[in-house]
Amino acid sequence: AQTVTQSQPEMSVQEAETVTLSCTYDTSESDYYLFWYKQPPSRQMILVIRQEAYKQQNATENRFSVNFQKAAKSFSLKISDSQLGDAAMYFCAYQNNDMRFGAGTRLTVKP
Amino acid sequence: DAEITQSPRHKITETGRQVTLACHQTWNHNNMFWYRQDLGHGLRLIHYSYGVHDTNKGEVSDGYSVSRSNTEDLPLTLESAASSQTSVYFCASSESLAGGTGELFFGEGSRLTVL
Repeated sequence: AQTVTQSQPEMSVQEAETVTLSCTYDTSESDYYLFWYKQPPSRQMILVIRQEAYKQQNATENRFSVNFQKAAKSFSLKISDSQLGDAAMYFCAYQNNDMRFGAGTRLTVKP
Repeated sequence: DAEITQSPRHKITETGRQVTLACHQTWNHNNMFWYRQDLGHGLRLIHYSYGVHDTNKGEVSDGYSVSRSNTEDLPLTLESAASSQTSVYFCASSESLAGGTGELFFGEGSRLTVL
């Protein structure tokens, strides 16, 4: 069974600074997708960024980027120039057919 | 705009009662999923379906059932509700991975309380 581990239950960052959220996963597959989802207090799940395992280049979406290390089975999310609106729960997810999630990291942004 | 809707958004029931949570999507996605969200566990997969008449058990399927009679709907049934099933339930849908992005589109969640 595939498992996803987020070792940081809570993280805090100063507004305009950079923060990195960690994620590791366990799989024997070679083809899969990895995702980061954001869940603000509204409870709505919002896709932040996606990475295909066959792509070596790290995905980037504006202020959000990932460090994908396939051999190490690591998929961290970097948020640059943090904004107050980035405060939320962040979930890492692994997908090969169905999608499995980590336990989440609660990010606080301090003004 | 295409969307995925869940109902009811909030439900309070008693132990032993049967409860059905509805999920309806207009994305025309083949894949549909039910998750439950609990503090410290993230989202855990309950059941999923890859198409009409197809259903599969996820990691926490005991006490839950689903049926898929059409593309748009995947209702989740708790046959005999237990207090351990108090949770927030999310329905999601996606395109098939082959040729699709794999991204899940989520409903807004249904908060179920079992007393």
